[in-house]
Amino acid sequence: SQQGEEDPQALSIQEGENATMNCSYKTSINNLQWYRQNSGRGLVHLILIRSNEREKHSGRLRVTLDTSKKSSSLLITASRAADTASYFCATDSGTYKYIFGTGTRLKVLA
Amino acid sequence: DVKVTQSSRYLVKRTGEKVFLECVQDMDHENMFWYRQDPGLGLRLIYFSYDVKMKEKGDIPEGYSVSREKKERFSLILESASTNQTSMYLCAILTGQETQYFGPGTRLLVL
Repeated sequence: SQQGEEDPQALSIQEGENATMNCSYKTSINNLQWYRQNSGRGLVHLILIRSNEREKHSGRLRVTLDTSKKSSSLLITASRAADTASYFCATDSGTYKYIFGTGTRLKVLA
Repeated sequence: DVKVTQSSRYLVKRTGEKVFLECVQDMDHENMFWYRQDPGLGLRLIYFSYDVKMKEKGDIPEGYSVSREKKERFSLILESASTNQTSMYLCAILTGQETQYFGPGTRLLVL
């Protein structure tokens, strides 16, 4: 599997439900970031968590990081139709060579 | 707000043509990146530049070159376009907060 691999590949939920996506990576990192991509557009930065942090919140987003398991999760609470997008994790090992995963496609049904 | 623009949203070229993709930022950021995005493969780094005239290869530089003559502009060049270079190309800059801002992308079709 690749560094920064998301799971599941696709997720479909009802509006108001929570959505959880996971990311696994292979090497040591300085930080891990989550991005959102609406269909056919560029990526938008959501949140960054550093290797010495375990949890971070931003609005309806909650990110956790477990460096011992080399994994992270992104939780979107009370999802909305506008949250429909692809979500990517990206790891930074301090070399500027950010490694992106293959993404989770989230569909929120109204 | 940081603004990253790419010269074209859609581009159709023929095999063997030389293709230029341009990326322009409106701030003074040093680090700029070119990625390609393909279904099931995520984003893969082609080249990045950490200053004017400075560049480093990413994971898939073959068939590509780059140019950074001015700080605000980073160009990706396909020397001789091939069908396997049909893809979505994304430019990004790195801010001081260690986050990347992306342009809207260029969807390139090589026939």
